[in-house]
Amino acid sequence: SQQGEEDPQALSIQEGENATMNCSYKTSINNLQWYRQNSGRGLVHLILIRSNEREKHSGRLRVTLDTSKKSSSLLITASRAADTASYFCATDAAHSGSARQLTFGSGTQLTVLP
Amino acid sequence: DAGVTQSPTHLIKTRGQHVTLRCSPISGHKSVSWYQQVLGQGPQFIFQYYEKEERGRGNFPDRFSARQFPNYSSELNVNALLLGDSALYLCASSLWPLGSYEQYFGPGTRLTVT
Repeated sequence: SQQGEEDPQALSIQEGENATMNCSYKTSINNLQWYRQNSGRGLVHLILIRSNEREKHSGRLRVTLDTSKKSSSLLITASRAADTASYFCATDAAHSGSARQLTFGSGTQLTVLP
Repeated sequence: DAGVTQSPTHLIKTRGQHVTLRCSPISGHKSVSWYQQVLGQGPQFIFQYYEKEERGRGNFPDRFSARQFPNYSSELNVNALLLGDSALYLCASSLWPLGSYEQYFGPGTRLTVT
């Protein structure tokens, strides 16, 4: 089953604009991760935010986490055509020492138009 | 350094047949996880292996099995294939239980069951 749900399911923007994707989840987590997938290929890890963090930056990426609302957002600034991909949030809810099972959402398909 | 590798890239099987998918983790990674991604959905966790032992299992039938070898490579086996097993099968390795919890994904094996 999918724990996380991304919103919107699809997003189309012009190059240079910012893109914001949201993720909601259901259970307590250790951390939340964002991944990117191009055309049904392997996933690429983008950023991890721990449950005790509220905001994290990496290059043009900014992630926020609100554990009280069980939600996260991914902001991509100054988007480029090469950012066109599917973006997934994944939650890590395992207890310490247990298997790291990521539970993925259904993804947001981002299209950046040149 | 080489990333996670998977073989074969594509595979076409008939209902009722058996399939074996292979994965080699990033050098130094001892944990390997398998995910199934049906078209239009996020990946779903199947198994995690660490030090040749199963450490976690998702909600998949017993037709799915896996193993990990002394060199940390892994195989996923699926028996009695059903049409619904058609999907992209992703392997991921990580430094679990040491270090960060990001998972590094391979390019996947596209399985088509006819």
